[in-house]
Amino acid sequence: QQQVKQSPQSLIVQKGGISIINCAYENTAFDYFPWYQQFPGKGPALLIAIRPDVSEKKEGRFTISFNKSAKQFSLHIMDSQPGDSATYFCAASSGNNNDMRFGAGTRLTVKP
Amino acid sequence: GAVVSQHPSWVICKSGTSVKIECRSLDFQATTMFWYRQFPKQSLMLMATSNEGSKATYEQGVEKDKFLINHASLTLSTLTVTSAHPEDSSFYICSARDYSSYEQYFGPGTRLTVT
Repeated sequence: QQQVKQSPQSLIVQKGGISIINCAYENTAFDYFPWYQQFPGKGPALLIAIRPDVSEKKEGRFTISFNKSAKQFSLHIMDSQPGDSATYFCAASSGNNNDMRFGAGTRLTVKP
Repeated sequence: GAVVSQHPSWVICKSGTSVKIECRSLDFQATTMFWYRQFPKQSLMLMATSNEGSKATYEQGVEKDKFLINHASLTLSTLTVTSAHPEDSSFYICSARDYSSYEQYFGPGTRLTVT
């Protein structure tokens, strides 16, 4: 069922560093690429999302880079903080967001 | 922001009993709601898509008779786990798609433990 490949599985970053998580997809019909943040025991929360008409989107410390030809997109967290420690999921969907598929998740740990 | 609630947040039931989980969109209307299942340290697996007023669409491998889904209104969908067994123990998460923006918002999840 997973049509989105995500790496790395886990990531440890020092406070203030840059966290980078990568995703790749195969289905060219996908046209919406969100990133979700999930804390233990909680539901995923939308962090930032991008559509294929732009190559980059930035919101605060979070940036999505999108490469349509390579069918890859990535999340960059600048100035990573211990409070960013969570599991991050990339996802992709098509049409009216009716078939969202998730990556396997990346467990991020930001060390103080 | 858009809020989706789930009830209960945590439930323990005995093997063979049924459990109902509610998913509500609190400040928007959702013609479509989705039910996911998540095992520890794993990703979300889509179980079914629920459309208001019609039958749910189940993903391959998901038993329709075991996981009953009802979407009776634009703000409420329910998942009933029938004749629950220990292997049904999991974290169940719903999401609701805003009918106007098509954004998908997730609930806080329900932890089901079957003993």
